[in-house]
Amino acid sequence: NAGVMQNPRHLVRRRGQEARLRCSPMKGHSHVYWYRQLPEEGLKFMVYLQKENIIDESGMPKERFSAEFPKEGPSILRIQQVVRGDSAAYFCASSPGQGTLKEQFFGPGTRLTVL
Amino acid sequence: GESVGLHLPTLSVQEGDNSIINCAYSNSASDYFIWYKQESGKGPQFIIDIRSNMDKRQGQRVTVLLNKTVKHLSLQIAATQPGDSAVYFCAENIRGGKLIFGQGTELSVKP
Repeated sequence: NAGVMQNPRHLVRRRGQEARLRCSPMKGHSHVYWYRQLPEEGLKFMVYLQKENIIDESGMPKERFSAEFPKEGPSILRIQQVVRGDSAAYFCASSPGQGTLKEQFFGPGTRLTVL
Repeated sequence: GESVGLHLPTLSVQEGDNSIINCAYSNSASDYFIWYKQESGKGPQFIIDIRSNMDKRQGQRVTVLLNKTVKHLSLQIAATQPGDSAVYFCAENIRGGKLIFGQGTELSVKP
């Protein structure tokens, strides 16, 4: 049973380019969460999605960042016109979406470096 | 001025000793708590969880204690091994939504 998959594992972009990060949740999971981690810090929540719906985007920067979780295919976190401050590890987690108390399983992360 | 990166608190223990990692959480409405282990270059790995209607839960070599009065969690690792070396994060959750992570503690196990 495959876990949460993220790709690419490492992504290098120049300032002003776009970054697309992909997340495939565990089989049977319909809820996806994105988190960002700066060096020596804990993970910070960005956005929570169900299929075709954004449930909570309170942690998303207002500009340049967007996320989607289409009916078919992986969840995508998109960062437009990247800046050096976007350099971080981005983690995706998924949960089954049943019940109110549920564990979130994390993927290996995508490490974004902005030159 | 420019902000300086924070250094994680570090706990150094001898192999075979017990470890206790502490965490203060922020929201009295949180109803679910998880401890995660994160090794360098990897994603967080689930260790143990506890619901707010409990004050103690045991797993294999690990125990989580919850004190809601002072909003405090602890993780106890028995007979700590070199493979336990990692950064440990507590996380709180309200009604199945986002996780709010603590700062993290780096555990270093000396052989």
